[in-house]
Amino acid sequence: SQKIEQNSEALNIQEGKTATLTCNYTNYSPAYLQWYRQDPGRGPVFLLLIRENEKEKRKERLKVTFDTTLKQSLFHITASQPADSATYLCALDMRGNTPLVFGKGTRLSVIA
Amino acid sequence: DTGVSQDPRHKITKRGQNVTFRCDPISEHNRLYWYRQTLGQGPEFLTYFQNEAQLEKSRLLSDRFSAERPKGSFSTLEIQRTEQGDSAMYLCASSLVRTGGAEAFFGQGTRLTVV
Repeated sequence: SQKIEQNSEALNIQEGKTATLTCNYTNYSPAYLQWYRQDPGRGPVFLLLIRENEKEKRKERLKVTFDTTLKQSLFHITASQPADSATYLCALDMRGNTPLVFGKGTRLSVIA
Repeated sequence: DTGVSQDPRHKITKRGQNVTFRCDPISEHNRLYWYRQTLGQGPEFLTYFQNEAQLEKSRLLSDRFSAERPKGSFSTLEIQRTEQGDSAMYLCASSLVRTGGAEAFFGQGTRLTVV
């Protein structure tokens, strides 16, 4: 069956450390993978998009990797801050511009 | 504010009633999506439009759900004969189709509670 698994429901880290979130998928072959941030009671906000032929993408303190052999994406936030506390969702786009298939998300808490 | 707008933000309804939600996408976006999200889950795809054409409906979408995008601008999602299991956050998103994939811009959602 098709599955998207994000490493844990909740992740607690100390301020200043690097947070690493995992997204694994089974029986999908996405052309693109996206990461979103969602705060309580609000809609998801786009963070990064990475293509299947890209290994890594960076934006400020954020870094995403995409390994199509392992069927895995890693999402890193360096020098984490309490303001980074939110739920982070990974989403698969199978062919480009197709409806996104979301994981359940990981709730990150950055503790001062 | 030129983002995606959803109305109402909250709706409480009695079981068996019909409800309608509205979404105003970003004006130049040609794709519009509806998703549903329950507590602790990621958004789940319901249906989407390119301009005024409805391109796909999820197999999970029962016949009680219908969506329209009459002039390729705003969209409505109607749920007939609501059930308690319909309680969820209904999210609308829009995007501009382009080569290389496109990010989705989400509205704040409509939280539906069926009592």
